[in-house]
Amino acid sequence: DQQVKQNSPSLSVQEGRISILNCDYTNSMFDYFLWYKKYPAEGPTFLISISSIKDKNEDGRFTVFLNKSAKHLSLHIVPSQPGDSAVYFCAAWAGAGSYQLTFGKGTKLSVIP
Amino acid sequence: EAGVTQFPSHSVIEKGQTVTLRCDPISGHDNLYWYRRVMGKEIKFLLHFVKESKQDESGMPNNRFLAERTGGTYSTLKVQPAELEDSGVYFCASSHQHNSPLHFGNGTRLTVT
Repeated sequence: DQQVKQNSPSLSVQEGRISILNCDYTNSMFDYFLWYKKYPAEGPTFLISISSIKDKNEDGRFTVFLNKSAKHLSLHIVPSQPGDSAVYFCAAWAGAGSYQLTFGKGTKLSVIP
Repeated sequence: EAGVTQFPSHSVIEKGQTVTLRCDPISGHDNLYWYRRVMGKEIKFLLHFVKESKQDESGMPNNRFLAERTGGTYSTLKVQPAELEDSGVYFCASSHQHNSPLHFGNGTRLTVT
């Protein structure tokens, strides 16, 4: 059973528009969430994170929102650029003593010029 | 600074053979992790080293997998004997502190025929 779910395998967005990638989780012990970006034949690259004590974290064009009551987080990219085309993974940590990252299956984002 | 390097990038072996994957973490990173992505599935945790000690090996699939990190520097992951279901991409990651975002290598794509 998946504890981190990314229900959209793919997403296409026009260049300059907003990309919204969604992630749901089931484990209430998760207290830290991360987004990774992955290009083909490369490893995942850390993008942005958020602690469960916050509901928003922003870094340039990237913003992550966390809704703890709904066990939902989202990654907003605005404006989207063709170089953002990649697979985005949502991941979560269960807190002190557990350093396993639990990943979702990923969402492939295509930004169309 | 050099990133996490993994060798080989690809390996094709026959069922029953042995394969050894190598990971060189970022210099100074005490924490080293192995993850695996089987085709179409999420990236899954295998184990975590702190220096030369296994901190958590709960994700290792079975006793055909053996990970070592002698001297607390590079790590090896041996699969012996390999089975068809072991095919996938094996990622190594490292971090300076256990609660820091992980830096991933580009992975080793293992194909067992």
